[in-house]
Amino acid sequence: NSKVIQTPRYLVKGQGQKAKMRCIPEKGHPVVFWYQQNKNNEFKFLINFQNQEVLQQIDMTEKRFSAECPSNSPCSLEIQSSEAGDSALYLCASSSDWGGDTQYFGPGTRLLVL
Amino acid sequence: TQTVSQSDAHVTVFEGDSVELRCNYSYGGSIYLSWYIQHHGRGLQFLLKYYSGNPVVQGVNGFEAEFSKSDSSFHLRKASVHWSDSAVYFCAVSPNNNRIFFGDGTQLVVKP
Repeated sequence: NSKVIQTPRYLVKGQGQKAKMRCIPEKGHPVVFWYQQNKNNEFKFLINFQNQEVLQQIDMTEKRFSAECPSNSPCSLEIQSSEAGDSALYLCASSSDWGGDTQYFGPGTRLLVL
Repeated sequence: TQTVSQSDAHVTVFEGDSVELRCNYSYGGSIYLSWYIQHHGRGLQFLLKYYSGNPVVQGVNGFEAEFSKSDSSFHLRKASVHWSDSAVYFCAVSPNNNRIFFGDGTQLVVKP
């Protein structure tokens, strides 16, 4: 079973508000991924880190999200100004290696933007 | 571009039946193929993964999957399902365990 911790489990925000969620990867996992899963079960990769460094991110993330994985602190993903279309399940995954090991997922943060 | 196709959106079986969930992919290079399960309202749980070697891989809870290069497939199977196997199953492709590309999912319903 995955030991990735995500908080909060549920988040309700108004449009234009900031929405911040956190992820603690499995111990010893330096690689962290964030995905967005919408109500149609479509997944969108958002960003990934190796240790504190951003390796890849999509354009949307670069413009409207801020994310970090500081040393000795939880990783975080924050939407700067929430939109209705951001309502989704945000999944964090961690891996022990960049090229080869399995990605283990947390339970997700379900964001509802009213 | 990687694509993952799960042809069946819904599969319904009875407890004790065998089941096969189909997955086809398209990608030209070396990839990891995985299956994940998602129970209602929860995160993704890893089931199994294939990269090379024996094309039949065993996973948790009695699941197995078989890789076929000729068919570009990675179908998931279980010999005897339990009601607790009811969930959405996602086939996934990732090049060198980079970002994962998921299929649309197959909703498995196991009736008592």
